[in-house]
Amino acid sequence: GIQVEQSPPDLILQEGANSTLRCNFSDSVNNLQWFHQNPWGQLINLFYIPSGTKQNGRLSATTVATERYSLLYISSSQTTDSGVYFCAVGGGSEKLVFGKGTKLTVNP
Amino acid sequence: NAGVTQTPKFRILKIGQSMTLQCTQDMNHNYMYWYRQDPGMGLKLIYYSVGAGITDKGEVPNGYNVSRSTTEDFPLRLELAAPSQTSVYFCASSYRGSSYNEQFFGPGTRLTVL
Repeated sequence: GIQVEQSPPDLILQEGANSTLRCNFSDSVNNLQWFHQNPWGQLINLFYIPSGTKQNGRLSATTVATERYSLLYISSSQTTDSGVYFCAVGGGSEKLVFGKGTKLTVNP
Repeated sequence: NAGVTQTPKFRILKIGQSMTLQCTQDMNHNYMYWYRQDPGMGLKLIYYSVGAGITDKGEVPNGYNVSRSTTEDFPLRLELAAPSQTSVYFCASSYRGSSYNEQFFGPGTRLTVL
């Protein structure tokens, strides 16, 4: 099955800094989603992005499907950005395979 | 729209007990899913359904059962609970139309088996 690797596993930033999170996957996909899991455990949809580039406020994402990776950019980070960011991919079936996540801590 | 709702939010079970986790969506989505999340890990698929009356196994189905009698509801049944089933359970739904299949998640149920 598809393998998903996220990097880095942990990231600590000062408020206002920018960051890039990476998701590599092992096979072609027709579904790729980025989620933010907040400290209360809630999963929040950030992007549905099997290919191309999208932006939503301070967040943007790019997926290069031919090279099997996706990037999530966070600019001007805020303490409320803290939590775990998951990449999940689906490759021709209905199943999403999740990476282990990147734990982001933004300090004031 | 309430989206995807799950009950209960928390539950403690004794070994060998049974329970049903409820999941309801009001978005008229045809696909529904159950995932579990163990500490420090990503989510793993337990079961999914592509429509009423149709269910299929995911990656970790052992110890669980599901049914899908309506479009809105997708309950997950735990029989003979074991400590290995201590986890957070998430229900999700999506509308599968052509190539679009974004999944939306409920708030989760935190289950402890002692």
